[in-house]
Amino acid sequence: EAQVTQNPRYLITVTGKKLTVTCSQNMNHEYMSWYRQDPGLGLRQIYYSMNVEVTDKGDVPEGYKVSRKEKRNFPLILESPSPNQTSLYFCASSHRDSANGYTFGSGTRLTVV
Amino acid sequence: AQSVSQHNHHVILSEAASLELGCNYSYGGTVNLFWYVQYPGQHLQLLLKYFSGDPLVKGIKGFEAEFIKSKFSFNLRKPSVQWSDTAEYFCAAGSARQLTFGSGTQLTVLP
Repeated sequence: EAQVTQNPRYLITVTGKKLTVTCSQNMNHEYMSWYRQDPGLGLRQIYYSMNVEVTDKGDVPEGYKVSRKEKRNFPLILESPSPNQTSLYFCASSHRDSANGYTFGSGTRLTVV
Repeated sequence: AQSVSQHNHHVILSEAASLELGCNYSYGGTVNLFWYVQYPGQHLQLLLKYFSGDPLVKGIKGFEAEFIKSKFSFNLRKPSVQWSDTAEYFCAAGSARQLTFGSGTQLTVLP
């Protein structure tokens, strides 16, 4: 089944403790993105990647890192999480021509206390 | 900078009522437009998309949208809503590289 898999689904952590949210897609998509969803703000892009070793900042990249060492994986790294990073995170992937739009993962609900 | 506006934050309808959700975009150059739906506790799913051609596009579950270039709008419509359409709806504009989302419209359909 074609899908984007994120882990974990839920995560509670403390301020400053490094964490990684994994994302993997099995559709051989070139493009991958991370979004955060906050009430009243919709989805805002954190980082995106156009292919292996090619990443760039989205609209809200501060406090986040990403890497794209393999085409299928696009982990999101929070080196020192803070409470304002409490949010719902979605990974998404797409073919270069976005003919079928983005395929989204199931989301990761992160709480930073 | 590109932006997408959804002016209805929460819409409440009775079953069988007609639906129209507004979406306006600001985007330089050729734009791809999308509507996504997010059912409670689930991820976003693509409802329909517009790239070019016929400005009236049909999607899944009986939804359709009309692209009006002169108004920079891409409104979502459904002639008769069902209780199962209760969800949050997001309009988006852009490309695979950068897709900009609106703030979403929560649709509640009363049985």
